[in-house]
Amino acid sequence: QVQLQQSGAELVKPGSSVKMSCKASGYTFTSYYIYWIKQRPGQGLEWIGRIGPGSGDTNYNEKFKGKATFTVDKSSSTAYMQLSSLTPEDTAVYYCARSAARVMDAWGQGASVTVSS
Amino acid sequence: DVVMTQTPVSLSVSLGGQVSISCRSSQSLVHNNGNTYLSWYLQKPGQSPQLLIYKVSNRFSGISDRFSGSGSGTDFTLKISRVEPDDLGVYYCGQGTQYPWTFGGGTKLELK
Repeated sequence: QVQLQQSGAELVKPGSSVKMSCKASGYTFTSYYIYWIKQRPGQGLEWIGRIGPGSGDTNYNEKFKGKATFTVDKSSSTAYMQLSSLTPEDTAVYYCARSAARVMDAWGQGASVTVSS
Repeated sequence: DVVMTQTPVSLSVSLGGQVSISCRSSQSLVHNNGNTYLSWYLQKPGQSPQLLIYKVSNRFSGISDRFSGSGSGTDFTLKISRVEPDDLGVYYCGQGTQYPWTFGGGTKLELK
């Protein structure tokens, strides 16, 4: 079955960076876009952007340009998102999701990032 | 950006009852290709969101026919009939027509 397994929780200091992973299984990794979504504590969903694992092309929400960077490793079917210059406003759960035909049909379990000194 | 407005913010329902959730977009969600990319997701407590409905009215694989979506243009509705305990959580509408994709603020479904 389709699975997206995300990396674990991170506690990081303000000003630092964090890189999280999203390992895909159960489908052809390069055939679907990977999307990244942010959910702050008790809040709604915010679309960060997407990457096409086959082509490497990316789209970023303007709000997250310079903050988030997407990469993939096709050999391990893993997508990555790096967040830089972290502030407390980056404290959130970050989800990866698979998308085809402009809908996210499978989601990872989420990766919690806490930014605190 | 397309603003998605969901109402109500919360709903109380009795088991076996029926509810409707409204979602309105600030712009038409009809894509140049003629499709309308409006989806509904449910986030159960402590879980990731899961897809319920895509392209306005299409139920995702394994989703009960108690869930139905309707609407067009900028005005959409999710209906849940014969509510069960497993239906409780926060419902989000989301649009995939225009980048950046955006979501409604969510509707929390609780037991009365």
